[in-house]
Amino acid sequence: QQPVQSPQAVILREGEDAVINCSSSKALYSVHWYRQKHGEAPVFLMILLKGGEQKGHDKISASFNEKKQQSSLYLTASQLSYSGTYFCGTEPFNQAGTALIFGKGTTLSVSS
Amino acid sequence: EADIYQTPRYLVIGTGKKITLECSQTMGHDKMYWYQQDPGMELHLIHYSYGVNSTEKGDLSSESTVSRIRTEHFPLTLESARPSHTSQYLCASSPAPGTDTGELFFGEGSRLTVL
Repeated sequence: QQPVQSPQAVILREGEDAVINCSSSKALYSVHWYRQKHGEAPVFLMILLKGGEQKGHDKISASFNEKKQQSSLYLTASQLSYSGTYFCGTEPFNQAGTALIFGKGTTLSVSS
Repeated sequence: EADIYQTPRYLVIGTGKKITLECSQTMGHDKMYWYQQDPGMELHLIHYSYGVNSTEKGDLSSESTVSRIRTEHFPLTLESARPSHTSQYLCASSPAPGTDTGELFFGEGSRLTVL
């Protein structure tokens, strides 16, 4: 049931782009994306719902491919503040309204 | 602004002790959750609640119990702590589906060390 995230880690320089993927073997109702900085709690980035549109937040956007049960998080022109671990959390369609199951996370390191 | 509080933030105890980790939220959220997370690792769902008098087990069997007597309060209890329970415990809440985006608001965590 746990979604699979890839890659496990990404190393970037400021201004470079990155894509983080999250895939599930189950039909999904929603996909959440969170960022967690070292020693802090996870912080919500965005949610994508089945049948919903691609979301965007500043230079971070995400898409949800319902056919493939896959979501991708796009970080463009990365900034130092983007460093952290990114988690996707999924809500299976047949368990909508229950609780999120999170992937193992993708660690993003942005250097100047 | 998220208002969800966890106490204690740090706890070091001996094996066999009973402990309760407190979690309170002032947002009136119906749903609350407990996740366990080792440093730099994934979040494991251990318990969640739909509302008062509702509790459900998550995927991780952590030998803990929870209660939900009041909407704002969701304590986690370990009857007999073991070194394998050493971890960080994150509490979260979210509004009921259909009322908002359903995002999770996390507390700052309780870091437990069992000697």
